[in-house]
Amino acid sequence: GESVGLHLPTLSVQEGDNSIINCAYSNSASDYFIWYKQESGKGPQFIIDIRSNMDKRQGQRVTVLLNKTVKHLSLQIAATQPGDSAVYFCAEREYGNKLVFGAGTILRVKS
Amino acid sequence: DAMVIQNPRYQVTQFGKPVTLSCSQTLNHNVMYWYQQKSSQAPKLLFHYYDKDFNNEADTPDNFQSRRPNTSFCFLDIRSPGLGDAAMYLCATSRDKGGWNNEQFFGPGTRLTVL
Repeated sequence: GESVGLHLPTLSVQEGDNSIINCAYSNSASDYFIWYKQESGKGPQFIIDIRSNMDKRQGQRVTVLLNKTVKHLSLQIAATQPGDSAVYFCAEREYGNKLVFGAGTILRVKS
Repeated sequence: DAMVIQNPRYQVTQFGKPVTLSCSQTLNHNVMYWYQQKSSQAPKLLFHYYDKDFNNEADTPDNFQSRRPNTSFCFLDIRSPGLGDAAMYLCATSRDKGGWNNEQFFGPGTRLTVL
C-alpha cells in the first residue's frame, strides 16, 4: 500500500458544515488504523484511531468509521472550523508498528 | 512538554555532499522512525530502530543510513544526496511496537533542499 501521485484530492467545505474524508486501505491483515492531520510545514498530528475489531469510534468532533468488507475508512468532522484546514492522511498498521499512509486529502474550510 | 525535536528545520546541501539530519526525543520511547515525505505525497517509512535494533525497509536506498547512539537521539545520514532526495524528512517515536496505545508521535520535520 504505497501512496503515489502528485495531486492530492481536495475537499472544500463551508465553515460549520460537516466534513467526510474517505480512504481506501490495501492490507486486509492490518489491525489498526489512524487518522493524521498535517498542517503546512509541520509533522503529522494524531487525530483518532480505531482497531480492526471495531466499526466506529468517536472523539471530540471527529468520528472514524471502518468497513473491513470493502477496506474503507472514513473520517467525519462535525462543525468544521477554519483551523481544521490541513492535509488528512489515513494510515494502516502492518507488521510490528509499521504505518503505511494513504494518499492524503486536502481539506479547505471556507469562511 | 515531552516532544520530538528535529534539527535543523531547513537544510540545504549540494548534490553529492553528505548531510546528517538529527532527531531527539524526551518521551523515552523505545522506537524511533525516519520517514521521507516528498511534495504532495504521503510519508514513506525509510527505517526504524527498536531500541538498538535497526530495521531497514526493503526499498530504502543504500544512500540512506541511520545511527542511534542512545535512547534520545537518532540521526539520518544521506551519503550522496541526489536531486530526487529533496523532501521533508520526518522523525517519529513510539513507546513500543505492536499491541495498542503505541501511537507514533511525529516531529516537525526537516525540509531538505539539494542544489
